Amino acid sequence: NAGVTQTPKFQVLKTGQSMTLQCAQDMNHEYMSWYRQDPGMGLRLIHYSVGAGITDQGEVPNGYNVSRSTTEDFPLRLLSAAPSQTSVYFCASSYSLGLDTQYFGPGTRLTVL
Amino acid sequence: GDSVTQMEGPVTLSEEACLTINCTYTATGYPSLFWYVQYPGEGLQLLLKATKADDKGSNKGFEATYRKETTSFHLEKGSVQVSDSAVYFCALLSGGYNKLIFGAGTRLAVHP
Repeated sequence: NAGVTQTPKFQVLKTGQSMTLQCAQDMNHEYMSWYRQDPGMGLRLIHYSVGAGITDQGEVPNGYNVSRSTTEDFPLRLLSAAPSQTSVYFCASSYSLGLDTQYFGPGTRLTVL
Repeated sequence: GDSVTQMEGPVTLSEEACLTINCTYTATGYPSLFWYVQYPGEGLQLLLKATKADDKGSNKGFEATYRKETTSFHLEKGSVQVSDSAVYFCALLSGGYNKLIFGAGTRLAVHP
C-alpha cells in the first residue's frame, strides 16, 4: 500500500492563480480531510468528506473547494490564490469517523507571492 | 469552542534525559485525546491515544494519562533518543467526531 499520497510536494503561485492539490489513498478509507499547518497554530481543518459524493466545511474553508467523485481521490482547489494561503497542506484519511486512526500524507508546501 | 494548549518549544534535551511535554484542553463533554508526531519532512503519525478518563496511552516508550480533573494529557518519556527529535502535537476529537482539534505543536531536539 502506498498509503496517502499528495502531489505536488512544493508549489509557488502568484496571487490570483488557481491550482489543484492532489490527494489519493489506496486503503479504501471512507473519511478524508484537508488540513493546513501554519507556524504556531497547529493544524486546522479546511474541508472533509465522509464518502464519495459527500463533502463538508471545516474550520477554515474560505478560498478552497473540494469534491469527492471517487473513494480514492480528494482534490483541494484554490480558486484564486492569496498570500494568506501560503502554508503546508496535509491530506488525511481514515476508515471512518470517530476513533479510527487518521493517516496523513507527506504534505504540500505552497507559497503564494 | 474546543481547544488544545501545548507548552511552547523548542525543547532541547540531551540523549537519555527525561521528557515531559505539557498539554491541556478545553472541551465540552469527555473528548478522546491523542498525541501525533511529525518527523522532519514527513506527515503526522499517531503516537498514542486515550479515550476516557484515567486511561493511559503508550507507544515507543512514550506515555500519557488522561486526567479529567486537570483537563490534561501530558506526554512523557523516561529516556529520549536522538531519533525522537520531531514535532509533537496534542489533539482532541471534537464533539460529533468529525474533526481533530490540534495544539500548536512542540518541537523536540535531542542531542547526543
